[in-house]
Amino acid sequence: GEDVEQSLFLSVREGDSSVINCTYTDSSSTYLYWYKQEPGAGLQLLTYIFSNMDMKQDQRLTVLLNKKDKHLSLRIADTQTGDSAIYFCAERVLYTGTASKLTFGTGTRLQVTL
Amino acid sequence: AAGVIQSPRHLIKEKRETATLKCYPIPRHDTVYWYQQGPGQDPQFLISFYEKMQSDKGSIPDRFSAQQFSDYHSELNMSSLELGDSALYFCASSLPRIDSPLHFGNGTRLTVT
Repeated sequence: GEDVEQSLFLSVREGDSSVINCTYTDSSSTYLYWYKQEPGAGLQLLTYIFSNMDMKQDQRLTVLLNKKDKHLSLRIADTQTGDSAIYFCAERVLYTGTASKLTFGTGTRLQVTL
Repeated sequence: AAGVIQSPRHLIKEKRETATLKCYPIPRHDTVYWYQQGPGQDPQFLISFYEKMQSDKGSIPDRFSAQQFSDYHSELNMSSLELGDSALYFCASSLPRIDSPLHFGNGTRLTVT
């Protein structure tokens, strides 16, 4: 299956950490991605992790992958108002030598309050 | 750094009309993907191309067609437009490697009235 699920909404205070969770079902996922989408804007690639890794850190962003449970999380440290957006996780599965695509989760709307 | 360019940015059409969306990938990216995002929805995969050949097909209606040209730009042609086709259409490009992430354009917002 290719279902990718996320909680719909998360509210945090400025300066706190945000943790956005994602579960996926396709065990043959090779890479997992996090994209950010601000209102009316495009999809900005934030970070991605190879499926044989457990963790990846990139400045304020930390990605944790539990492949056994098919669970992915994105932690944003010191969350700022500019982080308010919708965050999509996405899994990528290679079907043939050249065919692969992203399947997106339902998106989590992050609201940062003062 | 160069990004994926999509045109037009906004498009308004009437029902039963046709529309053509264009996508210019990042230089040296020869794989292009099209996604459709309805209001409040996650992006849905439509179709992808590698080296001018269709490489994968998703939930693309028969009224839609796409192609990739020799300069690797791609066009999505939509005919007999319906109100439900109103959405944000994204193009993404990547290198033809599984470890090459997809980079998305800013999208074309299509409104069908």
